[in-house]
Order: sequence, then C-alpha cells, then structure tokens
Amino acid sequence: EDKVVQSPLSLVVHEGDTVTLNCSYEVTNFRSLLWYKQEKKAPTFLFMLTSSGIEKKSGRLSSILDKKELFSILNITATQTGDSAVYLCAFIGHTNAGNMLTFGGGTRLMVKP
Amino acid sequence: DSGVTQTPKHLITATGQRVTLRCSPRSGDLSVYWYQQSLDQGLQFLIQYYNGEERAKGNILERFSAQQFPDLHSELNLSSLELGDSALYFCASSATDSPNTEAFFGQGTRLTVV
Repeated sequence: EDKVVQSPLSLVVHEGDTVTLNCSYEVTNFRSLLWYKQEKKAPTFLFMLTSSGIEKKSGRLSSILDKKELFSILNITATQTGDSAVYLCAFIGHTNAGNMLTFGGGTRLMVKP
Repeated sequence: DSGVTQTPKHLITATGQRVTLRCSPRSGDLSVYWYQQSLDQGLQFLIQYYNGEERAKGNILERFSAQQFPDLHSELNLSSLELGDSALYFCASSATDSPNTEAFFGQGTRLTVV
C-alpha cells in the first residue's frame, strides 16, 4: 500500500530559526510530490516536484526531491510567526483506480516570537 | 481565495441522515477532487471527477457517492451517517486530470454528526 510519512510530527521554533521538514514515501508508480501549507482551513499549494535533485524555491521556502532515496524536504529559513501552520506532503501516484493524491499526516510547525 | 467554493460551511445532522455537500470548482477547471479530513485520519482522498466522469477512487465508503454535473460543479452525498463521519470535507479543483497539475482547495465543509 502506498504511504507517505512526515517527520517530525510537530516542531516549535523561534522567529529567525531555520527548519527542515521531512517527507518520505513509498509509492508504486510515482508521478509527483506536492507540499501544502494548512493554517486554519484549506490547504494552500506551495510546491510541486517531479524531477529529482532540482530545488524549487519561493522566497524563504525551498524544497527538493530525491527520487532514489524516496524523500523530500521542505526548508524554511528566517522563520516568522506567520509560518505557523501544518505542512502537508502528498504524492500523486498512478494506480488501477487512477491517479491518486495521498497525503502524509503533516508536520505542525509553531513559530514563537 | 482559491476560487473553489464549497457550501455549506458547517452542517450539523443526526446519525442515520443523509446530506449533500456542494463544490464549485475554479473557473475553467475540469477536475474535482473530494477529501475527508478527520483528526485521527489526516487528509484522505475520496474520489476524483474529470469533466463529468469518475476518474479515480480512493477510500470512499459505499454509503458515500459523488457526481459532477455538466456545469462542472460537484456534489458529495453522504448517507446513513455515523458519528465517525464527522470531519472536514474538502473539495479541490485543477485544470486537467494530469498528475502534474496543482490542485486548489476550497475552504471545506465541517460536518458534525450527533
């Protein structure tokens, strides 16, 4: 069965710290990996990664995928209180039932002033 | 605002009842996905429709069904409701059914079964 495991489960840091969130996966027919940020309600899209070794960057956030070792990391530098959220990693894999998006359990990040 | 609209925002109903959740995708998006998020299960994929046809099926119970209409809005029907069905139900949409297309989420419908 395909699965996604995120670590740590939760993290408390202070403003200005750098954090690294981990996502490992086991999937039969991998298509792409996505990162989402979920604050109070709807997850908001951060990154989609399909190629190994290519870093995607958006401001203080960056992510990279290692398709050989089956993991991805999300880095946040110079954290701010507004970064406090649950970060979700998900992959799209192809199954007999179609292309399915499977989410990990998330990492809850709290950034203290 | 993602452009995906879900109604209602909140729903409280009794066990055994049936409810319908509605989703309007972003303008131009052909794919609609339904997810269930409960505290102990995380975000679970239920079902995907593309241009009116079922495209992928996840962990959707037989008591649940969905459809996508010609105007591309979608409805998720939940019947014979149980306490364990209490959760946040999200709809997401994307432009295509390609796995390399990002999906945008609505704000969710919080269902409470009492």
